Amino acid sequence: DAGVIQSPRHEVTEMGQEVTLRCKPISGHDYLFWYRQTMMRGLELLIYFNNNVPIDDSGMPEDRFSAKMPNASFSTLKIQPSEPRDSAVYFCASSRQWEGYTFGSGTRLTVV
Amino acid sequence: SQQGEEDPQALSIQEGENATMNCSYKTSINNLQWYRQNSGRGLVHLILIRSNEREKHSGRLRVTLDTSKKSSSLLITASRAADTASYFCATAGNQFYFGTGTSLTVIP
Repeated sequence: DAGVIQSPRHEVTEMGQEVTLRCKPISGHDYLFWYRQTMMRGLELLIYFNNNVPIDDSGMPEDRFSAKMPNASFSTLKIQPSEPRDSAVYFCASSRQWEGYTFGSGTRLTVV
Repeated sequence: SQQGEEDPQALSIQEGENATMNCSYKTSINNLQWYRQNSGRGLVHLILIRSNEREKHSGRLRVTLDTSKKSSSLLITASRAADTASYFCATAGNQFYFGTGTSLTVIP
């Protein structure tokens, strides 16, 4: 298995633009997580899915953020409109049950 | 807010010494996991300890868990320069949280 695949690796966008981050989890994993990492706040859980169903989105900062998981092999995190304070590294992780996460390489987002 | 808090925030040791990091958490857990993150990279799973276990070993890693104190420790023995990284604990249960991390520097 190629592991958790995230795209793009880097994204630079202007304030107000829509940003879409993509994630392909490991086949057979039933949990998918989106995390955001910044120096100030560390690792923050944004949302997680179980069997493609969103379970807890209480970490999503505001309505500008949305996440979907249309099938077991794909998830997106969308920010619309983006703001400079959204600049961070966004990680996707998947796991089978709660038996340890496998993280993707992350997407480094810069909003200017 | 962070469920897991790590202590110390930063640790600097000489190669060959042991490194101990501690993690405290707040709610009940199913298991607790430790991860390593090298600068600019994703997190790598190191070891998982279940709530009914007290100690676990994996190579040079030793993890302990005290559910009565809601705390865990990670010991890296005979440290190497390549162990330089940030180390995070993560809880899994009703909620999923990562600790604030310990930045470990191993000086050759």
